[in-house]
Amino acid sequence: EPEVTQTPSHQVTQMGQEVILRCVPISNHLYFYWYRQILGQKVEFLVSFYNNEISEKSEIFDDQFSVERPDGSNFTLKIRSTKLEDSAMYFCASFQGIYEQYFGPGTRLTVT
Amino acid sequence: AQKITQTQPGMFVQEKEAVTLDCTYDTSDPSYGLFWYKQPSSGEMIFLIYQGSYDQQNATEGRYSLNFQKARKSANLVISASQLGDSAMYFCAMREGDSNYQLIWGAGTKLIIKP
Repeated sequence: EPEVTQTPSHQVTQMGQEVILRCVPISNHLYFYWYRQILGQKVEFLVSFYNNEISEKSEIFDDQFSVERPDGSNFTLKIRSTKLEDSAMYFCASFQGIYEQYFGPGTRLTVT
Repeated sequence: AQKITQTQPGMFVQEKEAVTLDCTYDTSDPSYGLFWYKQPSSGEMIFLIYQGSYDQQNATEGRYSLNFQKARKSANLVISASQLGDSAMYFCAMREGDSNYQLIWGAGTKLIIKP
């Protein structure tokens, strides 16, 4: 069964550093998403990506965040200057257009 | 206002019993989808079941069924014959038809199955 993969599984970084979280969505899917989940809290939508551009973003997705699909395969989330409050689990998801979104296993980001 | 409400922060259930996890939703869009995901302690998000707003019948997937009451805007998850491996966080989520299909999530219910 096809799956979404994410790397790394855990990233520890210092406040102010840039991080790039990587995702490989399912190849024939059209829509891609990043969500985050702060420990013990609900999942929050960050950004959706369709047709090689951002289709929607939430209030959380400020200028410190960016997404790219540089090679038609990888889908990356960059945080330019991490803050302590960016510590969370980050999930990538892809969607074919019907039924469910497929989630990757997540990247746990710890900002110290 | 909350679009997805899960009123049970935690539940304890005896193994082999059935359990119902509550979810109510709020939308004015006639076209929407409702989802349940399971998140074990390892952290991954596992899709369980989907119900479309126009589906006439309640969705079922193995031991999981969705009790969809459209007029009451509720989409409760029923797990029959619970197992120890069902212990996890359970999230209800909604996708509205006029959005870019992103999911709106409830706060989750922590289910613990007792042996």
